[in-house]
Formats: sequence, C-alpha cells, structure tokens
Amino acid sequence: KQEVTQIPAALSVPEGENLVLNCSFTDSAIYNLQWFRQDPGKGLTSLLLIQSSQREQTSGRLNASLDKSSGRSTLYIAASQPGDSATYLCAVRPGETSGSRLTFGEGTQLTVNP
Amino acid sequence: EAGVAQSPRYKIIEKRQSVAFWCNPISGHATLYWYQQILGQGPKLLIQFQNNGVVDDSQLPKDRFSAERLKGVDSTLKIQPAKLEDSAVYLCASSFSGTRGYFGPGTRLTVT
Repeated sequence: KQEVTQIPAALSVPEGENLVLNCSFTDSAIYNLQWFRQDPGKGLTSLLLIQSSQREQTSGRLNASLDKSSGRSTLYIAASQPGDSATYLCAVRPGETSGSRLTFGEGTQLTVNP
Repeated sequence: EAGVAQSPRYKIIEKRQSVAFWCNPISGHATLYWYQQILGQGPKLLIQFQNNGVVDDSQLPKDRFSAERLKGVDSTLKIQPAKLEDSAVYLCASSFSGTRGYFGPGTRLTVT
C-alpha cells in the first residue's frame, strides 16, 4: 500500500527566504507525482506535475524535483512571498490507467511573514 | 475553460440526517473522483467513475455513503445517515486522460 509523508507539517518563514518542502513515498513504482496548493476553505490548485521519467519541473519561482528510486520529491520555493502562504500537498499516481488514483500526503502548512 | 463546479459550498446538518452533494466536472472529462478531506489531513479517495461506471470504491463506506453518475457527466454523493466523523470537506475532481486531476472548490460539511 502506497504511503505518502510530508515534512515538515508546518513551516513559518520571513518573506524573501528560499525554502524546501519534502515529500516521500513508500512505493517507487509511480507513474507521476503532483504538487498542489490549497488555500483555506478552497479546493486544490495543481502547481507542478512530474512524470516518472522526469527529474524536475519548474514554474516561475517553483521547482519540483523527483528521485523515484529513493521515493522522494522536493518542492523548492524561491524568494517566498506572503501570498505563498497556503497548504502544499504532494500526491502520487501509481499507474497510467484510468483506474489509477492519487494518494496524498497530509500536507505542509506554510506561513510567509511580511 | 470552466472549472469543476460543486454545490453547496457549505452544509450544516445534525447527526442521523441525510445530505447530498453535487458535482459538475469539466466538459469532456470522462473520469470523476470524490475525495474526503478531514481537517489536517490529505484528501482520501472515496469513489472514482470512468464515464458512468465505478472504477474504484474500495474506500467508500457503503453502509452510509452512495454516489452515482447516471449520464456520465455530473455526479451526486449522498450520506445517509450522517455521523459526527463525516465532518470534512468533500472534493470533486475530474480528468480527461486520468493523469492530471482538476479539483473543484469543495463542500464543507459540518455534522453536529
């Protein structure tokens, strides 16, 4: 059974800092990994999707890396801003078929202080 | 492109009452998911549809939860009767190819 763990559970940083969020998964046989952002009371917004054959993906100030063999992914946020405050969730998909469901971690709650 | 629509956004009910949630996925998306997210936890899949057929309902508490997607488009999730531990956000998501999911805003259920 796939298990996804995110560390830390909560993080508070001053504005402008670079930071790293960690995600680990127990079964390395994944199809892809996705990072989501969730604002309070809102749904999930997809940030980055990394296919199993890829090592990293970048979007603006965000960079996600994937080391499938070790079961790890990191989300790097450069020059953090108060607007980045949210919960960040990672999720893995075990297979490419339509029956392949996402397994989520419990998230990292990020607070960026002005 | 319109996103995934859900209603209602909030619902408060007493235990043992019934409640239903509605989801309209992105047009053309054959795969539809219902997730339950308890406060402080990641979302947990309840049921997955491919068109109007159930692909995975292994984590759906079938004694009280039911879901349908009769015409392969929108879907309803019902809880009957509700328990205190059902208090959560219920998220609907859809995908075209089953690889990337697009999530709706969720329905926040409070059972008192």
